[in-house]
Amino acid sequence: GENVEQHPSTLSVQEGDSAVIKCTYSDSASNYFPWYKQELGKRPQLIIDIRSNVGEKKDQRIAVTLNKTAKHFSLHITETQPEDSAVYFCAPLLSGGYNKLIFGAGTRLAVHP
Amino acid sequence: EAQVTQNPRYLITVTGKKLTVTCSQNMNHEYMSWYRQDPGLGLRQIYYSMNVEVTDKGDVPEGYKVSRKEKRNFPLILESPSPNQTSLYFCASRRREAVTDTQYFGPGTRLTVL
Repeated sequence: GENVEQHPSTLSVQEGDSAVIKCTYSDSASNYFPWYKQELGKRPQLIIDIRSNVGEKKDQRIAVTLNKTAKHFSLHITETQPEDSAVYFCAPLLSGGYNKLIFGAGTRLAVHP
Repeated sequence: EAQVTQNPRYLITVTGKKLTVTCSQNMNHEYMSWYRQDPGLGLRQIYYSMNVEVTDKGDVPEGYKVSRKEKRNFPLILESPSPNQTSLYFCASRRREAVTDTQYFGPGTRLTVL
């Protein structure tokens, strides 16, 4: 089956530092790469996504970069704040008629004041 | 307000006692799906529906049933729950045509099977 791996599984940073989470996938035909944020006790929510025709997308303090050749994409958070503490999931789209998101196991980010 | 709702939010039950978790969306979305979330495993798809009366298995369908009689509702049925179905369940919806569209999640249902 399709394989999606996230690294690291946990990440602890000081407020103001940057955080990077990497997602590796196996479906070479994937063309949609979203990141979801799940705060404690809440539902997952889309925070940023990228399509395969671009290499980078930025939205204020968060950005996503895509390397289709190497089959990985990364979430970058700059100037981290305590409210960034959450679990982050990558969920590349499985193509080939299935059109479903395959979620990674998640990365727990803790931002310490 | 555009939303996906689930009921109940919390449920404790016993092995073998049939239960239904309801899911409803008010965005006229064709595509709906159910996920379960377990520690260290992310979200795994149980069943999905492309439209009314069209449902299909996801990655972990064993022990679950679904129905899609109306566009807005997509209930998840556990005919004979077992302890390994203790989990956090999310319903989600999006427009069918736009596979890269935002997927909206419900608030979740925490199920404990004793």
